[in-house]
Amino acid sequence: GDSVTQMEGPVTLSEEAFLTINCTYTATGYPSLFWYVQYPGEGLQLLLKATKADDKGSNKGFEATYRKETTSFHLEKGSVQVSDSAVYFCALGPGNQFYFGTGTSLTVIP
Amino acid sequence: GAGVSQSPRYKVAKRGQDVALRCDPISGHVSLFWYQQALGQGPEFLTYFQNEAQLDKSGLPSDRFFAERPEGSVSTLKIQRTQQEDSAVYLCASSLDPTGVGGYTFGSGTRLTVV
Repeated sequence: GDSVTQMEGPVTLSEEAFLTINCTYTATGYPSLFWYVQYPGEGLQLLLKATKADDKGSNKGFEATYRKETTSFHLEKGSVQVSDSAVYFCALGPGNQFYFGTGTSLTVIP
Repeated sequence: GAGVSQSPRYKVAKRGQDVALRCDPISGHVSLFWYQQALGQGPEFLTYFQNEAQLDKSGLPSDRFFAERPEGSVSTLKIQRTQQEDSAVYLCASSLDPTGVGGYTFGSGTRLTVV
C-alpha cells in the first residue's frame, strides 16, 4: 500500500544552518507530495506541494523536489531561523485519504 | 469562517463516557476529513465526506466511532464508551476540491484525554 517514510528526529540546528529532512515514499499510480508544518499548539499547515515528477514546491525559503527515480521528496532550507522550530510532516495524496510520515521535530537555537 | 474550526479544544473524558467532537469547515468546502494523531505520530485517516455523503470510513478503528455530516457542512465525530487508547488529537480538515489535490486546510484539533 501507499506509505511515507520520514527521517526521524529530533533535529537541532543553529540559526542560519542548512536544513535537510529526508522523505521517501511508496505509491501506486502518480501521487502528489506535500510537506506540512505543525507549530506548537497549532494545527497542521500546508507548507508546499508538488503534483508531478520533477516539480519543485517552494514556500518561505523551503524547497522540495519530487524525484520519481528515487521516490523522494526531501525538504531543504538554506538558512533556518528560530521561528522555523516546529514539527514537519511529509505526506502523500490525493485521494480519499492522505498518508503522513511520523513527523520530524526541528529545533533551531540562536 | 476563515479557517476550519474545531471544538472543544480540549476534552477530558472518563473511561466509558461518550464524547462528541465538532468540526466547522471552511464555507463552501466540499470535502471533509477526520484524522487521529497519537502523541509523537503523524495523522492517521479516519473518515472522509464529500458533502453529506460519507464515502470512506475505512479508518474508523471500531464500531464505537461514528461520524456524520448531515447537511454537508458541520461534522461531528462521536466516540462511544471511550477507552484509554482513544486518547489522541482528533484533526478535522477540509478541501475545496473533492480529493484534496490542492492540499487540505486543517483545524487546530481536539485533544481528547481518557482517564
